[in-house]
Amino acid sequence: DVKVTQSSRYLVKRTGEKVFLECVQDMDHENMFWYRQDPGLGLRLIYFSYDVKMKEKGDIPEGYSVSREKKERFSLILESASTNQTSMYLCASSWGQNQPQHFGDGTRLSIL
Amino acid sequence: AQRVTQPEKLLSVFKGAPVELKCNYSYSGSPELFWYVQYSRQRLQLLLRHISRESIKGFTADLNKGETSFHLKKPFAQEEDSAMYYCALYPGTYKYIFGTGTRLKVLA
Repeated sequence: DVKVTQSSRYLVKRTGEKVFLECVQDMDHENMFWYRQDPGLGLRLIYFSYDVKMKEKGDIPEGYSVSREKKERFSLILESASTNQTSMYLCASSWGQNQPQHFGDGTRLSIL
Repeated sequence: AQRVTQPEKLLSVFKGAPVELKCNYSYSGSPELFWYVQYSRQRLQLLLRHISRESIKGFTADLNKGETSFHLKKPFAQEEDSAMYYCALYPGTYKYIFGTGTRLKVLA
């Protein structure tokens, strides 16, 4: 069974801090994704990566960056956290272009 | 524009009643469509995809290209079906487009 592991379930940070959210998958998947999940807005794609060191902007990349140095790990970085980035963050992976995504448990991030 | 619309934020039904969660999409090509489900305190997971044409947990979904719909149906709702349901479209660009979700509450 595919395992997508996000490093923290809950995280509290302060405005202006640099925040790192980590995601690791154990199935050698090519594609990895970061989403925000907000009530009434569904899942919105922040960034995705289809190969090591490759990254593409999603629909809401402003204020975020990503890093994929190894195939199994995809990190989301909030360069300078702001209160409007308080949200649930979901990481996902898939092995092919049109294949189902496998999600992590999510990180609930609060920016104070 | 490519879009997925789930018109209902909340759908409440009684146990044993039929369920239909609506999903409409906007896409000019041949769509790849999925339903995902998130039970309370669990991760988001795939429920079914249209090319599989299978029934999972009693749910089915038929692609209607004429109406650009992919509604999720179950003839008899169970309390354990209560969850958040998302419809998703894969338009062929690595990116998936999710709807805003429908929360299903099955009442005893």
